[in-house]
Amino acid sequence: QKEVEQDPGPLSVPEGAIVSLNCTYSNSAFQYFMWYRQYSRKGPELLMYTYSSGNKEDGRFTAQVDKSSKYISLFIRDSQPSDSATYLCAMSRTGRRALTFGSGTRLQVQP
Amino acid sequence: NAGVTQTPKFQVLKTGQSMTLQCAQDMNHNSMYWYRQDPGMGLRLIYYSASEGTTDKGEVPNGYNVSRLNKREFSLRLESAAPSQTSVYFCASSENSAGGGTGANVLTFGAGSRLTVL
Repeated sequence: QKEVEQDPGPLSVPEGAIVSLNCTYSNSAFQYFMWYRQYSRKGPELLMYTYSSGNKEDGRFTAQVDKSSKYISLFIRDSQPSDSATYLCAMSRTGRRALTFGSGTRLQVQP
Repeated sequence: NAGVTQTPKFQVLKTGQSMTLQCAQDMNHNSMYWYRQDPGMGLRLIYYSASEGTTDKGEVPNGYNVSRLNKREFSLRLESAAPSQTSVYFCASSENSAGGGTGANVLTFGAGSRLTVL
C-alpha cells in the first residue's frame, strides 16, 4: 500500500466551478503538506504548503489538512482553463524532509 | 535566473548502454534530489544529497549512481540501462537540508529529462 493515495482522475469541470482535490495518507509522522502543480511536459511547481492541521488560503486556492482523518484537500475557486494541469500532493516527515508524493490528479477545466 | 537546469531533455538508449543526466542549480541551495516519474506511480525519490559532499539512497536507487560534483551540480548515472528505467527524470533542489531540521522543505524542480530505453 502506498503511503500517499491520490485519485488520478481525470477530473473535468466547467470554467468557474469549484474544484476539490484530495489525498489520503497512512503515516501519522507527516507534518508538512504541500500541493504542487505540473503542466504538461513541465516540472512540478509549488502552489502552497501547510504545517500540521488547519487551513491556508492563497487567492483562489485553499489548502486544508485534517490530521485526525489523515486527509488533505486543495480547493480551487472560480476555476480557469489555465488551471488545467496535474496536481500533486506531497508530504514530509518530522526530522526527515525528503518529500513523499501522491501520484497526481489530472484536472481539465473546460471553457 | 535559470533555477534548475537539466540536460539532456530527451535521450533514447539501447539496453546495456550507459549515460549520465546532468543537473545544475543557481539558487545556492544546499540539497539536491533526483526523482523519476512514471504513470500512476507519481514522483519517486532515487537519490538525494542533503549537502555538498553527501549522498543518500531514496526509495528506488537500484541501477543508479549519483555524484554531487559541487554545491551547484548533481548528476545521475545509469551504468547499464534497462527498459524498466524508461521514465521522466526530474532534478530538484531545496534551500533546507533534506536530512532534518525545521521548516518546510520546498523543492524547486527542473523541466525534466525524458529517457527511453529500448
